[in-house]
Amino acid sequence: EVQLLESGGDLVQPGGSLRLSCAASGFTFSSYAMNWVRQAPGKGLEWVSGISGNGGRTDYTESVKGRFIISRDNSKNTVYLLMISLRAEDTAVYYCAKATSTVTTRHGMDVWGQGATVTVSS
Amino acid sequence: DIQLTQSPSFLSASVGDRVTITCRASQGISNYLAWYQQKPGKPPKLLIYVASTLQSGVPSRFSGSGSGTEFTLTISSLQPEDFASYYCQQLNSYPRSFGQGTKLEIK
Repeated sequence: EVQLLESGGDLVQPGGSLRLSCAASGFTFSSYAMNWVRQAPGKGLEWVSGISGNGGRTDYTESVKGRFIISRDNSKNTVYLLMISLRAEDTAVYYCAKATSTVTTRHGMDVWGQGATVTVSS
Repeated sequence: DIQLTQSPSFLSASVGDRVTITCRASQGISNYLAWYQQKPGKPPKLLIYVASTLQSGVPSRFSGSGSGTEFTLTISSLQPEDFASYYCQQLNSYPRSFGQGTKLEIK
């Protein structure tokens, strides 16, 4: 079964740091780009970051550039999101999601984890 | 950055109705648009990609169309399990923005 399992969500103070992990199983992990998408309480979806299959390309939404770093370890079938200088507006459920296709990132995301909750508050 | 605007934001309909949700992009995105369904407390589910290709396992009552800047998601005959929120996402350029969502409620 294809599966993604996030971990690392927590309550953190403003200015603090956190690293989310997403463990993948059931597919050839290194063949697929991976993404992080977040959803603030009661709000819509926001794409946060993406990384290519070999880790050579990373992309970010503007509001997290310079504060978040996406990475992956293909030997561990895991993608990470390191978040520093956290702000209250980063409070959200963070989902990792797999690209649908091995040959393009333009076919959406077909497998999603259950989400990790990040709360930024003093 | 590309902005996506969905309409309507809220939709009230009955089982058996045909409903259409529109997604407009602030600039042309070819056909690089996906649609997702999300139920409360659950992750999104991919329904359609490249505007009109049905994801495996998605019922055929769901269909998508459009290109350039205007896209539609149509549900031909609403079923009880279709009452949820729907989001479009553009995959033409980064950042991969989403529309604000459409909440489909039971009338």
